[in-house]
Amino acid sequence: QKEVEQDPGPLSVPEGAIVSLNCTYSNSAFQYFMWYRQYSRKGPELLMYTYSSGNKEDGRFTAQVDKSSKYISLFIRDSQPSDSATYLCATTTDSWGKFQFGAGTQVVVTP
Amino acid sequence: DGGITQSPKYLFRKEGQNVTLSCEQNLNHDAMYWYRQDPGQGLRLIYYSQIVNDFQKGDIAEGYSVSREKKESFPLTVTSAQKNPTAFYLCASRRGGALAGNTIYFGEGSWLTVV
Repeated sequence: QKEVEQDPGPLSVPEGAIVSLNCTYSNSAFQYFMWYRQYSRKGPELLMYTYSSGNKEDGRFTAQVDKSSKYISLFIRDSQPSDSATYLCATTTDSWGKFQFGAGTQVVVTP
Repeated sequence: DGGITQSPKYLFRKEGQNVTLSCEQNLNHDAMYWYRQDPGQGLRLIYYSQIVNDFQKGDIAEGYSVSREKKESFPLTVTSAQKNPTAFYLCASRRGGALAGNTIYFGEGSWLTVV
């Protein structure tokens, strides 16, 4: 069983809709959580970074962490065609812990 | 601008040849990483280094080698022993220490194709 599970999609939404992405993880020691956006043939770009449980908002992006359920989410409001990309979740335990990545969810926002 | 530079962007290799992928960072980060990305499999860790002159094997180190002679540089050699080297390779780095933030930053990647 992978330590981080993520639905590969594709997830297709119309422009302006809310995109909802999620990951589940198995190790309760994970404390730090990240979301990356990866365009085709490019390196992943850090979108959101959170520590422990709770919500974090940055513009149109909201990240949620529920440690009791081992569930992390990313919401994209007012989605745009430029949001079409693969979104990867990631987590780690401490300062020098290895990072565990989800396989990525492909998102397509149609005009 | 600060960042992570990978080169070359695209590389073709004949079977039996070794190739070296370059990774340079000017972020003054302590730790550096190499990942391999294949369709549908996510990122897999090849090697990582937390300090100069020290590195550790990741989950799929067989057929790869690295060096860390300078803080800024972490080249990856894909040897002829790697059975299926065609993939997208990503270099990443992270600052050290508990207060630095536990996240990593990626380069733009290198595409390696065996012909």
